[in-house]
Amino acid sequence: DARVTQTPRDKVTEMGQEVTMRCQPILGHNTVFWYRQTMMQGLELLAYFRNRAPLDDSGMPKDRFSAEMPDATLATLKIQPSEPRDSAVYFCASGLDGGNEQFFGPGTRLTVL
Amino acid sequence: GQQLNQSPQSMFIQEGEDVSMNCTSSSIFNTWLWYKQDPGEGPVLLIALYKAGELTSNGRLTAQFGITRKDSFLNISASIPSDVGIYFCAGQVLNSNSGYALNFGKGTSLLVTP
Repeated sequence: DARVTQTPRDKVTEMGQEVTMRCQPILGHNTVFWYRQTMMQGLELLAYFRNRAPLDDSGMPKDRFSAEMPDATLATLKIQPSEPRDSAVYFCASGLDGGNEQFFGPGTRLTVL
Repeated sequence: GQQLNQSPQSMFIQEGEDVSMNCTSSSIFNTWLWYKQDPGEGPVLLIALYKAGELTSNGRLTAQFGITRKDSFLNISASIPSDVGIYFCAGQVLNSNSGYALNFGKGTSLLVTP
């Protein structure tokens, strides 16, 4: 049963701390997306990778957020330093380039105190 | 990204009733997708629509891609308690900048009472 996995599922941290979220896309998928979900804004695209290369990260605050794909099986989203307004659920999704469907992971619920 | 207007924001219905929700946009999309999100989980794809005018069913779910390519609706027939969740529409425009990125509506929260 191929699924996108994300770790950690929950993270509580204090303002100013570094946070790293990890995602393992479905094996064979070559596109990876990071979304942030809040009550106010809904689902917002933060960054998008194709074949491990960043294609669009215009939705991501550049001063504190960074997204990378060290290899085809791992995507990371880092926040440094974290702020209370970063509290949200962060989703990773993967798909096949040329296909329209994105498969979502279970999310990381981040709380910054 | 493009704004999607999804309505209604929430629905509270009795088991057995039919449900209808829709999404509109000021922009044209190449693809419309409908997702369902259960509490504590990520969105799960329900139906994908690829052509204007297309009508697609998946069990008790039926969705249509509007002829203008700016809207879509989702119907659920004979609702059951496990239909509870948040339903999202998503539109997709393929271009050289955003690739296959999705624009999501704000969601319709569905509650079904037995």
